[in-house]
Amino acid sequence: TQLLEQSPQFLSIQEGENLTVYCNSSSVFSSLQWYRQEPGEGPVLLVTVVTGGEVKKLKRLTFQFGDARKDSSLHITAAQPGDTGLYLCAGGDSGYSTLTFGKGTMLLVSP
Amino acid sequence: DSGVTQTPKHLITATGQRVTLRCSPRSGDLSVYWYQQSLDQGLQFLIQYYNGEERAKGNILERFSAQQFPDLHSELNLSSLELGDSALYFCASSGQGQGANYGYTFGSGTRLTVV
Repeated sequence: TQLLEQSPQFLSIQEGENLTVYCNSSSVFSSLQWYRQEPGEGPVLLVTVVTGGEVKKLKRLTFQFGDARKDSSLHITAAQPGDTGLYLCAGGDSGYSTLTFGKGTMLLVSP
Repeated sequence: DSGVTQTPKHLITATGQRVTLRCSPRSGDLSVYWYQQSLDQGLQFLIQYYNGEERAKGNILERFSAQQFPDLHSELNLSSLELGDSALYFCASSGQGQGANYGYTFGSGTRLTVV
């Protein structure tokens, strides 16, 4: 069974601060995805990374896939209250089309 | 609106009862996935259908079953409900069975409360 561990579980910061959240596994994944989920809604895909060492930027969000394709990080620069939500990482296995999700990092950005 | 429609949004029922959750995937998507989300377990994969056929099974209880119809909508049937089945149930869809690399589109979920 492939497991993804996310840390920290909860993060509360002030607007304008920078932060990094992590997603780690002992398994190799063919791809790694990050989603954001807001209360009462389903997760929304932010990015997919497929190559070891790959870095992708989405405005103030920077995503990195580890060289060995076992871990990933999400860095947010100058966080805003609109960034508040549950950030989920999900790993894909090339043999199947199903995703394994981590339990998430709950981010609260206060004005 | 993500394009994936789930009904009902909320459901309250008693232990021992049976309920049916419905999902209409995004237009053109052939794969439908069902996930259960609880505070302690996170998002747990239940089952996947691709173009009407079961493709993969996860941690789905024997009391639960699902199917995908010719028009590609899917239903998740939960029977002999227990208090521990209270959770958010999400449906997601993807195109051409390539969700692992191309991402899922999730619906807004059904919140099931068993009392």
